[in-house]
Amino acid sequence: KQEVTQIPAALSVPEGENLVLNCSFTDSAIYNLQWFRQDPGKGLTSLLLIQSSQREQTSGRLNASLDKSSGRSTLYIAASQPGDSATYLCAVISMSDNAGNMLTFGGGTRLMVKP
Amino acid sequence: NAGVTQTPKFQVLKTGQSMTLQCAQDMNHNSMYWYRQDPGMGLRLIYYSASEGTTDKGEVPNGYNVSRLNKREFSLRLESAAPSQTSVYFCASSEFETQPQHFGDGTRLSIL
Repeated sequence: KQEVTQIPAALSVPEGENLVLNCSFTDSAIYNLQWFRQDPGKGLTSLLLIQSSQREQTSGRLNASLDKSSGRSTLYIAASQPGDSATYLCAVISMSDNAGNMLTFGGGTRLMVKP
Repeated sequence: NAGVTQTPKFQVLKTGQSMTLQCAQDMNHNSMYWYRQDPGMGLRLIYYSASEGTTDKGEVPNGYNVSRLNKREFSLRLESAAPSQTSVYFCASSEFETQPQHFGDGTRLSIL
């Protein structure tokens, strides 16, 4: 059964700092990996999706990388801003899960960017 | 620009009561999903519908039923609510199963 882990669980940084969020997964047979952002009391907003054949995706100040063979992904946030404060979740769709193409989520990293 | 709309946003039930959570998407997506989010457990898939007319169990289907009413709407029903079903419920949709999923704002459900 696929398991997804995110480290650290919480992170506090000063504004302007570049930062890296980590995600690891146990089964490398995946279709894709998706990074989400969740604001308090809100749903999830999709940030980036990386197909299994891709190494990275970029959107603005965000860059996500994927190393499928080692079961790792990183989300790099450049020049962090207070508006980046949120919980960041990674999720994978595994080829081998019995429940179709379900997303398996990590526990999230709660990010706070201080002005 | 509604995306995925869930109703109600909040609900309090007594043990044994039934209710249906509603979800509708306006993006012409084929696949729809119901998740629950619990502290320490993360998000877990309850049921999904790969396309109109099909539904399948996810990781935690017990105590729930679903209906894919049409391409736009996917409802989740609790027949006899239990305190263990207190959670935040999210509906999501995607164009196809391996495409990015778009989430609603959630329904916060408390069962006393």
